[in-house]
Amino acid sequence: KQEVTQIPAALSVPEGENLVLNCSFTDSAIYNLQWFRQDPGKGLTSLLLIQSSQREQTSGRLNASLDKSSGRSTLYIAASQPGDSATYLCAVRSNYQLIWGAGTKLIIKP
Amino acid sequence: EAGVAQSPRYKIIEKRQSVAFWCNPISGHATLYWYQQILGQGPKLLIQFQNNGVVDDSQLPKDRFSAERLKGVDSTLKIQPAKLEDSAVYLCASSLEGSTEAFFGQGTRLTVV
Repeated sequence: KQEVTQIPAALSVPEGENLVLNCSFTDSAIYNLQWFRQDPGKGLTSLLLIQSSQREQTSGRLNASLDKSSGRSTLYIAASQPGDSATYLCAVRSNYQLIWGAGTKLIIKP
Repeated sequence: EAGVAQSPRYKIIEKRQSVAFWCNPISGHATLYWYQQILGQGPKLLIQFQNNGVVDDSQLPKDRFSAERLKGVDSTLKIQPAKLEDSAVYLCASSLEGSTEAFFGQGTRLTVV
């Protein structure tokens, strides 16, 4: 059974720092992995999708990597800004289902 | 392009009452999902439709939850009767047939008191 874990559950850093969020999964047989952002009281916004054959994807200040063999993905945020404050969730597509982590709540202090 | 629309945004009900949520997916998206997200947890799939057929409802508490997508477009999710533990955000998502990328609505926050 696929399980997805995100550590830490919460992270607070000063504005301007580069940071890394972690996502691990137990079964390497995945179709893809997706990172989402969730603002309080709002839905989920897809940030990056990495197919199982890819190693990384980039969008602006965000870079996501995927290492299937070790069951890990990282989301790198460069030059963090207060507007980046949100909860970040990763989800793996496995057996046509999306399996979710519980998220990392990120606070960027001005 | 319009996104996934959900209503209402917020709902407060007493336990044992009934409630219904509505979702209109992105035009042309054959696949529709309903998720339940309890505070501090990731979303849990309740039901997945492909057009108007159910693909997966294995985690839907069928004694109190029901969902339909009669015309293969919009969908309703109903809870009857509600319990305190049903307090959560209910998210609707849709995707193109065969695509693995889902697009989410803003969700309905349900509070059962």
